[in-house]
Amino acid sequence: DAGVTQSPTHLIKTRGQQVTLRCSPKSGHDTVSWYQQALGQGPQFIFQYYEEEERQRGNFPDRFSGHQFPNYSSELNVNALLLGDSALYLCASKINGGYEQYFGPGTRLTVT
Amino acid sequence: AQSVAQPEDQVNVAEGNPLTVKCTYSVSGNPYLFWYVQYPNRGLQFLLKYITGDNLVKGSYGFEAEFNKSQTSFHLKKPSALVSDSALYFCAVPRAGSYQLTFGKGTKLSVIP
Repeated sequence: DAGVTQSPTHLIKTRGQQVTLRCSPKSGHDTVSWYQQALGQGPQFIFQYYEEEERQRGNFPDRFSGHQFPNYSSELNVNALLLGDSALYLCASKINGGYEQYFGPGTRLTVT
Repeated sequence: AQSVAQPEDQVNVAEGNPLTVKCTYSVSGNPYLFWYVQYPNRGLQFLLKYITGDNLVKGSYGFEAEFNKSQTSFHLKKPSALVSDSALYFCAVPRAGSYQLTFGKGTKLSVIP
């Protein structure tokens, strides 16, 4: 049973550029959340997708947007990248209504 | 707001000794509490959770956690530490009215051979 997968593993972008990160949830899961983990910090919740809609959102600007596809996979888009967006971006999936989340290995984004 | 605090940035323990990683919580209502572990360059792995029931919760890899309501604590424990337990440990609590998790800042555990 494949767990949560994310691509790419690493990414280097320049300030002002746009980036798209991808996530495939664990089999049987229908809800996907995205977290940002800065160096030395715990993960911070960005948003959650269920039934192809953003259902909850953390304290992140509109530059951060996402999408969920009919197969439950998801994308995270970040526009107008800032140096402060450099972080590990984690995707987590779960079954709707449950607490237990399964995390992917993350995408390491570096903005120069 | 629901929150957790991990008072120690780093914990060092000798291999074979018992380990404790501390977590205190501040929640309204009945607390749901979680522990996750993160190995270098990896995502978070679920260890255990407390929802209700016994105050001693057993989880993966020989870890357990003790829920203490009077001290608002949920400390992670293991009777005998392994070098392979060296990692970052995060305590977490759901945000109010949500299934989303709010994480502590993490505690780096180093098990010394």
